[in-house]
Amino acid sequence: GEDVEQSLFLSVREGDSSVINCTYTDSSSTYLYWYKQEPGAGLQLLTYIFSNMDMKQDQRLTVLLNKKDKHLSLRIADTQTGDSAIYFCAESINKGRDDKIIFGKGTRLHILP
Amino acid sequence: SAVISQKPSRDICQRGTSLTIQCQVDSQVTMMFWYRQQPGQSLTLIATANQGSEATYESGFVIDKFPISRPNLTFSTLTVSNMSPEDSSIYLCSDSRGDNYGYTFGSGTRLTVV
Repeated sequence: GEDVEQSLFLSVREGDSSVINCTYTDSSSTYLYWYKQEPGAGLQLLTYIFSNMDMKQDQRLTVLLNKKDKHLSLRIADTQTGDSAIYFCAESINKGRDDKIIFGKGTRLHILP
Repeated sequence: SAVISQKPSRDICQRGTSLTIQCQVDSQVTMMFWYRQQPGQSLTLIATANQGSEATYESGFVIDKFPISRPNLTFSTLTVSNMSPEDSSIYLCSDSRGDNYGYTFGSGTRLTVV
């Protein structure tokens, strides 16, 4: 089946690194994504990684992919109050004409002063 | 990246009525998706809307309840029919320009059925 799992909550002190983890089940995923949802807003694509990569870095964001374990993580360095949001992990599945994206439930990141 | 305009942004509707949600994309896209986000839940895919063919519905969603139109490559509507309080959710549309670009989402429609 197709499923994406992530923990629902994470609390981090301002200035520390945040690591949000995600596991997925479909080995045919081509791309994996991290989206950010701030209160009252739509989803914003933060970063993505192609399934044949194992790491991608973009400024404060580092994505690690362990394809063997079907594990994806998002590391946010020097976490700021503006990083407080819900972070969704998602996988894209392409099977013939079936093309869709499956989301996790989202991890709510809370920043402690 | 794409820009999607979705409206209405919110509505409060009476039980038994229908609401049509519109999404306009600023350029042509092959596929558009409709999602539902119930309170405290993740996004659930309702259907995929392709221009020129009927929408493809996910398990648990049917055309009679959620009719979709896709008259051209920049526009789609989702109707929530014969609403009940259980339909209270945020509804989002998104497009897909290919995996290199990810998926762009509309800002969502917050529907409350009373």
